[in-house]
Amino acid sequence: SQQGEEDPQALSIQEGENATMNCSYKTSINNLQWYRQNSGRGLVHLILIRSNEREKHSGRLRVTLDTSKKSSSLLITASRAADTASYFCATLNTGNQFYFGTGTSLTVIP
Amino acid sequence: DAGITQSPRHKVTETGTPVTLRCHQTENHRYMYWYRQDPGHGLRLIHYSYGVKDTDKGEVSDGYSVSRSKTEDFLLTLESATSSQTSVYFCAISEWGDTQYFGPGTRLTVL
Repeated sequence: SQQGEEDPQALSIQEGENATMNCSYKTSINNLQWYRQNSGRGLVHLILIRSNEREKHSGRLRVTLDTSKKSSSLLITASRAADTASYFCATLNTGNQFYFGTGTSLTVIP
Repeated sequence: DAGITQSPRHKVTETGTPVTLRCHQTENHRYMYWYRQDPGHGLRLIHYSYGVKDTDKGEVSDGYSVSRSKTEDFLLTLESATSSQTSVYFCAISEWGDTQYFGPGTRLTVL
């Protein structure tokens, strides 16, 4: 499988704390994306980082990409109960195929 | 989920029967994708389309076929459903082949 792997599989934090989740992948990529999935719903796109970028910000989200280590991290600052969801990384490889990781389940405790 | 609908949303069928799932978009996006989501596996790409009548296989295409005769519709067919195809199926669209927008999903149970 060429899937990525997220780490940790599950994360539980208090509201107001920061949440960090990591993604590792196996092949050369054009870009890496992060998605959120609330229970029973489809995935929602959060942020895209291209292979020639190292860091990107969007609101309370910060994404880093290290292509030499084939890894990315997603930081959610000042977490809220509404951030409770599963988070997935997805890579678009040079063959134009998408591969999703297995996800990190985040629980933010009010 | 705006602009993407999937039908049916839930289906229960028996082993060996054919099943067709429909994805419909109103965004006129070029790319359309079918994924399945299973516990412990995340999302896995089944087939995708990069234009009308242009499709290609994904990571887990065995047992599935697709058709796209119009820009707005992408059909996923299980010719003879098996219990291993019990899953939640998601359709996604993309204008340029990067950011994807997902439908609400179809929960399929094969008995």
